[in-house]
Amino acid sequence: QKEVEQNSGPLSVPEGAIASLNCTYSDRGSQSFFWYRQYSGKSPELIMSIYSNGDKEDGRFTAQLNKASQYVSLLIRDSQPSDSATYLCAVRGPAAGNKLTFGGGTRVLVKP
Amino acid sequence: ETGVTQTPRHLVMGMTNKKSLKCEQHLGHNAMYWYKQSAKKPLELMFVYSLEERVENNSVPSRFSPECPNSSHLFLHLHTLQPEDSALYLCASSPSSADTQYFGPGTRLTVL
Repeated sequence: QKEVEQNSGPLSVPEGAIASLNCTYSDRGSQSFFWYRQYSGKSPELIMSIYSNGDKEDGRFTAQLNKASQYVSLLIRDSQPSDSATYLCAVRGPAAGNKLTFGGGTRVLVKP
Repeated sequence: ETGVTQTPRHLVMGMTNKKSLKCEQHLGHNAMYWYKQSAKKPLELMFVYSLEERVENNSVPSRFSPECPNSSHLFLHLHTLQPEDSALYLCASSPSSADTQYFGPGTRLTVL
Protein backbone atom coordinates (compact mmCIF):
# COMPACT_ATOMS: atom_id res chain seq x y z
CA GLN A 1 0.00 0.00 0.00
CA LYS A 2 1.32 3.43 -0.94
CA GLU A 3 1.81 5.76 2.00
CA VAL A 4 0.00 8.65 0.33
CA GLU A 5 -2.33 7.84 -2.54
CA GLN A 6 -3.90 10.07 -5.15
CA ASN A 7 -5.71 9.39 -8.39
CA SER A 8 -3.27 10.45 -11.12
CA GLY A 9 -6.05 11.80 -13.35
CA PRO A 10 -6.35 13.74 -15.50
CA LEU A 11 -9.40 15.22 -13.83
CA SER A 12 -11.20 17.18 -16.50
CA VAL A 13 -13.41 20.00 -15.18
CA PRO A 14 -15.45 22.60 -17.08
CA GLU A 15 -14.61 26.20 -16.35
CA GLY A 16 -16.68 27.48 -13.44
CA ALA A 17 -17.32 24.03 -11.98
CA ILE A 18 -15.99 22.53 -8.75
CA ALA A 19 -12.91 20.31 -8.93
CA SER A 20 -12.75 17.68 -6.19
CA LEU A 21 -9.40 16.03 -5.42
CA ASN A 22 -8.93 13.18 -3.01
CA CYS A 23 -5.98 11.86 -1.04
CA THR A 24 -5.72 8.89 1.34
CA TYR A 25 -2.84 8.11 3.66
CA SER A 26 -1.72 5.05 5.56
CA ASP A 27 -0.06 6.50 8.70
CA ARG A 28 -2.90 6.85 11.21
CA GLY A 29 -0.67 9.01 13.44
CA SER A 30 -0.29 11.73 10.80
CA GLN A 31 -0.94 15.23 12.08
CA SER A 32 -0.14 17.67 9.28
CA PHE A 33 -1.53 17.75 5.77
CA PHE A 34 -0.66 19.94 2.82
CA TRP A 35 -1.78 20.60 -0.71
CA TYR A 36 0.75 21.86 -3.24
CA ARG A 37 0.08 22.98 -6.81
CA GLN A 38 2.69 22.28 -9.46
CA TYR A 39 2.48 23.75 -12.94
CA SER A 40 4.22 21.84 -15.70
CA GLY A 41 7.96 22.45 -15.56
CA LYS A 42 7.70 24.42 -12.32
CA SER A 43 8.25 23.66 -8.65
CA PRO A 44 5.50 22.84 -6.11
CA GLU A 45 3.76 25.83 -4.57
CA LEU A 46 1.95 25.55 -1.21
CA ILE A 47 -1.80 26.16 -1.46
CA MET A 48 -3.24 24.95 1.83
CA SER A 49 -2.30 23.31 5.09
CA ILE A 50 -4.75 21.63 7.45
CA TYR A 51 -4.21 20.09 10.85
CA SER A 52 -7.67 19.52 12.37
CA ASN A 53 -10.68 17.52 11.27
CA GLY A 54 -13.21 19.49 9.27
CA ASP A 55 -13.04 22.11 6.55
CA LYS A 56 -10.62 24.96 6.00
CA GLU A 57 -11.38 27.57 3.37
CA ASP A 58 -9.01 29.97 1.64
CA GLY A 59 -10.47 31.86 -1.27
CA ARG A 60 -11.68 29.39 -3.90
CA PHE A 61 -9.93 26.50 -2.16
CA THR A 62 -11.35 24.31 0.61
CA ALA A 63 -9.40 21.55 2.29
CA GLN A 64 -11.30 18.83 4.12
CA LEU A 65 -9.74 16.45 6.62
CA ASN A 66 -11.15 13.27 8.12
CA LYS A 67 -8.53 11.58 10.28
CA ALA A 68 -10.79 8.66 11.18
CA SER A 69 -11.10 7.78 7.51
CA GLN A 70 -7.48 8.81 6.77
CA TYR A 71 -8.70 11.04 4.02
CA VAL A 72 -7.95 14.60 2.97
CA SER A 73 -9.51 16.39 0.02
CA LEU A 74 -9.21 19.65 -1.85
CA LEU A 75 -12.11 21.45 -3.50
CA ILE A 76 -11.51 24.15 -6.08
CA ARG A 77 -14.61 26.28 -6.63
CA ASP A 78 -15.27 28.29 -9.79
CA SER A 79 -12.42 26.46 -11.54
CA GLN A 80 -10.40 28.55 -13.97
CA PRO A 81 -8.11 27.47 -16.83
CA SER A 82 -5.24 28.83 -14.74
CA ASP A 83 -6.02 26.12 -12.16
CA SER A 84 -4.86 23.49 -14.65
CA ALA A 85 -1.89 21.89 -12.90
CA THR A 86 -0.86 18.85 -10.89
CA TYR A 87 -1.97 18.95 -7.27
CA LEU A 88 0.25 17.17 -4.75
CA CYS A 89 -0.98 15.92 -1.40
CA ALA A 90 1.68 15.77 1.32
CA VAL A 91 1.39 14.23 4.76
CA ARG A 92 3.62 14.48 7.81
CA GLY A 93 3.49 11.61 10.25
CA PRO A 94 5.56 9.60 12.74
CA ALA A 95 5.92 6.57 10.46
CA ALA A 96 8.16 8.65 8.18
CA GLY A 97 10.04 10.27 11.03
CA ASN A 98 7.74 13.31 10.79
CA LYS A 99 9.07 14.09 7.34
CA LEU A 100 6.78 15.01 4.46
CA THR A 101 5.56 12.14 2.30
CA PHE A 102 4.11 13.12 -1.05
CA GLY A 103 1.48 11.47 -3.16
CA GLY A 104 1.98 11.08 -6.88
CA GLY A 105 -0.27 14.02 -7.67
CA THR A 106 -3.54 14.52 -9.51
CA ARG A 107 -3.44 16.31 -12.84
CA VAL A 108 -6.33 18.74 -13.28
CA LEU A 109 -7.44 20.13 -16.63
CA VAL A 110 -9.92 22.99 -16.60
CA LYS A 111 -11.55 23.39 -20.00
CA PRO A 112 -12.92 26.77 -21.10
CA GLU B 1 9.84 33.87 -7.56
CA THR B 2 10.15 32.41 -4.08
CA GLY B 3 12.77 33.08 -1.42
CA VAL B 4 14.51 29.85 -2.42
CA THR B 5 16.78 30.03 -5.47
CA GLN B 6 18.54 27.24 -7.32
CA THR B 7 21.32 27.22 -9.89
CA PRO B 8 21.72 26.09 -12.54
CA ARG B 9 18.14 25.75 -13.75
CA HIS B 10 19.15 23.24 -16.42
CA LEU B 11 22.16 20.93 -16.53
CA VAL B 12 23.28 18.34 -19.04
CA MET B 13 26.19 16.16 -18.02
CA GLY B 14 27.98 13.02 -19.07
CA MET B 15 28.34 10.03 -16.80
CA THR B 16 31.99 10.83 -16.08
CA ASN B 17 31.43 14.50 -15.23
CA LYS B 18 31.44 16.14 -11.81
CA LYS B 19 29.02 18.97 -11.22
CA SER B 20 27.32 20.70 -8.31
CA LEU B 21 23.82 22.03 -7.75
CA LYS B 22 23.41 25.07 -5.57
CA CYS B 23 20.49 26.17 -3.42
CA GLU B 24 20.18 29.40 -1.47
CA GLN B 25 17.34 30.51 0.78
CA HIS B 26 16.69 34.07 1.87
CA LEU B 27 13.93 33.26 4.35
CA GLY B 28 15.94 32.81 7.54
CA HIS B 29 14.96 29.15 7.70
CA ASN B 30 16.93 26.56 9.63
CA ALA B 31 16.10 23.42 7.66
CA MET B 32 16.89 22.65 4.02
CA TYR B 33 16.06 19.67 1.85
CA TRP B 34 16.95 17.99 -1.43
CA TYR B 35 14.18 16.18 -3.31
CA LYS B 36 14.24 14.23 -6.56
CA GLN B 37 11.24 14.29 -8.89
CA SER B 38 11.22 11.76 -11.71
CA ALA B 39 8.55 11.39 -14.34
CA LYS B 40 5.45 9.63 -13.08
CA LYS B 41 6.90 9.11 -9.57
CA PRO B 42 6.17 10.95 -6.32
CA LEU B 43 8.61 13.43 -4.92
CA GLU B 44 11.42 11.54 -3.20
CA LEU B 45 13.17 13.05 -0.20
CA MET B 46 16.93 12.68 -0.52
CA PHE B 47 18.56 14.67 2.28
CA VAL B 48 17.51 16.87 5.18
CA TYR B 49 19.72 19.39 6.93
CA SER B 50 18.67 21.05 10.16
CA LEU B 51 20.89 23.77 11.61
CA GLU B 52 23.60 22.73 9.13
CA GLU B 53 23.66 19.13 10.32
CA ARG B 54 22.46 16.29 8.14
CA VAL B 55 19.55 14.64 9.87
CA GLU B 56 18.23 12.46 7.06
CA ASN B 57 19.77 10.44 4.27
CA ASN B 58 17.18 8.33 2.52
CA SER B 59 19.45 5.60 1.21
CA VAL B 60 20.74 7.84 -1.53
CA PRO B 61 23.64 6.44 -3.62
CA SER B 62 27.04 7.86 -2.77
CA ARG B 63 27.33 9.44 -6.21
CA PHE B 64 25.14 12.17 -4.66
CA SER B 65 26.98 14.11 -1.96
CA PRO B 66 25.29 16.97 -0.09
CA GLU B 67 27.01 19.87 1.60
CA CYS B 68 25.53 22.53 3.87
CA PRO B 69 28.18 25.13 4.75
CA ASN B 70 25.65 27.38 6.54
CA SER B 71 21.92 27.63 7.12
CA SER B 72 21.36 29.62 3.92
CA HIS B 73 23.22 27.45 1.42
CA LEU B 74 22.91 23.85 0.33
CA PHE B 75 24.83 22.04 -2.37
CA LEU B 76 24.42 18.70 -4.08
CA HIS B 77 27.64 17.41 -5.57
CA LEU B 78 27.23 14.97 -8.43
CA HIS B 79 29.76 12.49 -9.82
CA THR B 80 29.61 9.45 -12.07
CA LEU B 81 25.84 9.69 -12.42
CA GLN B 82 23.70 7.29 -14.41
CA PRO B 83 21.08 8.12 -17.06
CA GLU B 84 18.35 7.08 -14.60
CA ASP B 85 19.44 9.96 -12.36
CA SER B 86 17.96 12.37 -14.90
CA ALA B 87 15.20 14.20 -13.06
CA LEU B 88 14.10 17.50 -11.57
CA TYR B 89 16.07 18.17 -8.38
CA LEU B 90 14.22 20.41 -5.97
CA CYS B 91 15.55 22.24 -2.97
CA ALA B 92 13.20 23.28 -0.18
CA SER B 93 13.52 25.09 3.11
CA SER B 94 11.42 25.49 6.26
CA PRO B 95 11.73 27.34 9.55
CA SER B 96 12.40 24.04 11.29
CA SER B 97 12.27 20.43 10.13
CA ALA B 98 8.69 20.20 11.46
CA ASP B 99 7.36 23.23 9.56
CA THR B 100 5.84 23.90 6.16
CA GLN B 101 8.34 23.60 3.33
CA TYR B 102 8.86 26.06 0.51
CA PHE B 103 10.40 24.92 -2.75
CA GLY B 104 12.92 26.46 -5.08
CA PRO B 105 12.42 26.42 -8.88
CA GLY B 106 14.42 23.22 -9.33
CA THR B 107 17.29 22.08 -11.53
CA ARG B 108 16.36 19.96 -14.54
CA LEU B 109 19.21 17.45 -14.82
CA THR B 110 19.86 15.29 -17.86
CA VAL B 111 22.57 12.63 -17.69
CA LEU B 112 23.74 11.37 -21.07
